[in-house]
This record gives sequence, C-alpha cells and structure tokens, in this order.
Amino acid sequence: DTGVSQNPRHKITKRGQNVTFRCDPISEHNRLYWYRQTLGQGPEFLTYFQNEAQLEKSRLLSDRFSAERPKGSFSTLEIQRTEQGDSAMYLCASSGQGYAVQYFGPGTRLTVT
Amino acid sequence: KNQVEQSPQSLIILEGKNCTLQCNYTVSPFSNLRWYKQDTGRGPVSLTIMTFSENTKSNGRYTATLDADTKQSSLHITASQLSDSASYICVVSALGSGAGSYQLTFGKGTKLSVIP
Repeated sequence: DTGVSQNPRHKITKRGQNVTFRCDPISEHNRLYWYRQTLGQGPEFLTYFQNEAQLEKSRLLSDRFSAERPKGSFSTLEIQRTEQGDSAMYLCASSGQGYAVQYFGPGTRLTVT
Repeated sequence: KNQVEQSPQSLIILEGKNCTLQCNYTVSPFSNLRWYKQDTGRGPVSLTIMTFSENTKSNGRYTATLDADTKQSSLHITASQLSDSASYICVVSALGSGAGSYQLTFGKGTKLSVIP
C-alpha cells in the first residue's frame, strides 16, 4: 500500500496521560500536515512540515502538543497531559510541491476518558 | 476572515437520483478549490481540484463547477449509488504570503445519505 498510513487507528487513554501518534506519508511527498477533526466538523489545521522543517503551527496547537518529522519522512504527534477535549480524529495528510492535492491517511481516533 | 460555507448540512436521496451540493467561500486571494469525499471513520479522499481559470471538472459521476466571480462552487452527483453515502467537504486554498505559508480553509461538509 503506497498511501498515507497512520498508527494507531484507535487510542483510548485516561485523562492526564501522554499519547503519541505516527504518520507515514507517501514516500515522494515532501509536505506533511496534521489536522484534528471533531464529529460533524471539517478538519482543523494543526501544523505542517516541508521536509523536516515545521513551517507553520495553528494556535490550536497548545504547548501540550508537539509534532516532529526528524528525517523528513514519518512524523509523530504527541499530546501531553491529555484532556477530554482532546478527543477527536487526528488526520495526517501529505502532498508534493506547490498547491498539490493532499492525500489523507485513515486517521487516529483518540478517546480521552 | 476566510470562510467556507456548505449547504445543505445533510441530504437524503434515493439511489439513482441526482443531487447538487453547494459551497460558498470568502477566501482571498483565491488559489484553488477542492472537493473531498469522506467516508465515516476514514480520511478524506480528493475528488476534484479547480484553479481560478477552470469552470468545471468531472471525475466519473462527480462534476464540480466553480464561479470565481460569485465565489461559489457546486458538486453534482449523477445517478447516485449507495456507496456515495459520505460527507463531502469543500476546501479552498488561498495564495500564501510566503514559501512557508499555509492557507487552506475547510467547510464543515455536507452529509449525504443515499437510500435504496
């Protein structure tokens, strides 16, 4: 499968715990994006990378959130001290240069209890 | 503020019928408009992408139109199938102010249900 993959697909955690999600983009794509999506809403932009550089972060990305893309390939999104409001689907997407189409992964559904 | 409004919020149609979904935007300066299909519990999948100079683009039974003057787009689905049941999201891209700028505005989507 050469699409965008995300792991895990589902995560249930208790409030206050830390969680980390992984995204593997399409191999030739240099841009990688993270979004959050709650029920009935469109995806909300969190951050994006061009190669290993994190070029932009949304104000939604509080200091409890951190994203990395150390070698310009896969990326991780960590949420520290999770809160119930963090419960959402976390989507990763990748694209090539310019205004190319973004290809989304299947998402990681986080439930904070 | 850049905004994308979609209508209707939800729609139920009979299998085999046609339908049209609407998208109005206030994104400026406009770069391109995309329609995505999102099945429940899955990531969005691109259907079409249109730039300023394109008025219509088709992808199988899906036809998107764009009126850049009125800032409106529509997605027309012909001969609907049960598998068309999904959320359809309109996404508008603005021209960025720099190489690192990111300017995508997502609509909330239209939830389409096709029933037998």
